[in-house]
Amino acid sequence: AQSVTQPDIHITVSEGASLELRCNYSYGATPYLFWYVQSPGQGLQLLLKYFSGDTLVQGIKGFEAEFKRSQSSFNLRKPSVHWSDAAEYFCAYTTSGTYKYIFGTGTRLKVLA
Amino acid sequence: EPEVTQTPSHQVTQMGQEVILRCVPISNHLYFYWYRQILGQKVEFLVSFYNNEISEKSEIFDDQFSVERPDGSNFTLKIRSTKLEDSAMYFCASLRGANTGELFFGEGSRLTVL
Repeated sequence: AQSVTQPDIHITVSEGASLELRCNYSYGATPYLFWYVQSPGQGLQLLLKYFSGDTLVQGIKGFEAEFKRSQSSFNLRKPSVHWSDAAEYFCAYTTSGTYKYIFGTGTRLKVLA
Repeated sequence: EPEVTQTPSHQVTQMGQEVILRCVPISNHLYFYWYRQILGQKVEFLVSFYNNEISEKSEIFDDQFSVERPDGSNFTLKIRSTKLEDSAMYFCASLRGANTGELFFGEGSRLTVL
């Protein structure tokens, strides 16, 4: 079965530090990959997406992610975290032939001042 | 900027009661979804809807659940007889078309079953 794994449930970083959130997907077909952010009490907002082409994708709020097919990974990065980045981050996956988007369990980011 | 709107933002109901959650997807979108998120847990797929019928559904989406697009703008999720474990945040999402990628989410409807 298709699945998305986010191995880190909680991550704490200091403001200004770099960030990497991990995401692995289990299914080998052509993946369409996404990162969403959810602030408390809010819906999910798209940060970035990968469909094809350049494996390093840029998103909003200074985030980027790199697709590595050999590792079935799509890790999210930010060079310098801001206090306002504290939120929950979800990786999501879909593929051709389905419109079902599968979400990971999420990583809750805490930013220390 | 167009957005997905959901009502109510919060509903409290007694176990066994019927609940209808409403969504207005973005107007030129063709695919509609319901997801649910139990407090502190993952975002779970319930159902997708296209061309006035269910295209996919999860094992969670049993006979107690139904969806409808009654008037070309609203998209509703009905839970026939609520259980305690139905307490969750329910998110509606819409997608413009095939291969366009981004699901647009509403802000959610929090359902509390007592």
